[in-house]
Amino acid sequence: DGGITQSPKYLFRKEGQNVTLSCEQNLNHDAMYWYRQDPGQGLRLIYYSQIVNDFQKGDIAEGYSVSREKKESFPLTVTSAQKNPTAFYLCASSMLAGGPHEQFFGPGTRLTVL
Amino acid sequence: QKEVEQDPGPLSVPEGAIVSLNCTYSNSAFQYFMWYRQYSRKGPELLMYTYSSGNKEDGRFTAQVDKSSKYISLFIRDSQPSDSATYLCAMNTGFQKLVFGTGTRLLVSP
Repeated sequence: DGGITQSPKYLFRKEGQNVTLSCEQNLNHDAMYWYRQDPGQGLRLIYYSQIVNDFQKGDIAEGYSVSREKKESFPLTVTSAQKNPTAFYLCASSMLAGGPHEQFFGPGTRLTVL
Repeated sequence: QKEVEQDPGPLSVPEGAIVSLNCTYSNSAFQYFMWYRQYSRKGPELLMYTYSSGNKEDGRFTAQVDKSSKYISLFIRDSQPSDSATYLCAMNTGFQKLVFGTGTRLLVSP
């Protein structure tokens, strides 16, 4: 089955630690995205990538970093510089060109800072 | 002012009711409009998309876009308890960056 997987489902972090969230897709999509979802604020874009070895900051990139070494993978690192990292993190992917550019989402990772 | 406005709800209806969910937006360049459904603690799933103005129907769901009013709607007929979820509207100009509404929480009681 084609789809997007995220791991882990739940993640706990101590203050001052960096953590990396995994996102893998087998849809052969060119573009991948990371969003953060907080109650009452909808989805906010952290980073996105349209091609391997290239990525752009979204609206709330401070305190986060990403890499895109393979088309299928787009890991997100939440660094200690992110002051309020507790949130639900969603990864998505889409075709780069043509069509309505629907984004398909993974199941999410819930990060809690202890 | 947010680019996309959506009433957070919750919207409570009895089973079988017709549900109307709405978003307004300010950017007249938006051309692609989508509705996602998100169950609690899950990722959003794409329900419907429409391009430009008009209606699109898929089973019990109808998506409507009125670009002149900058207003989009999702109608759910014969609503079911399984429709209880948060509904997110999203839109873009034709490039990849989607702008999302905050979501409306729908509760359908048996």
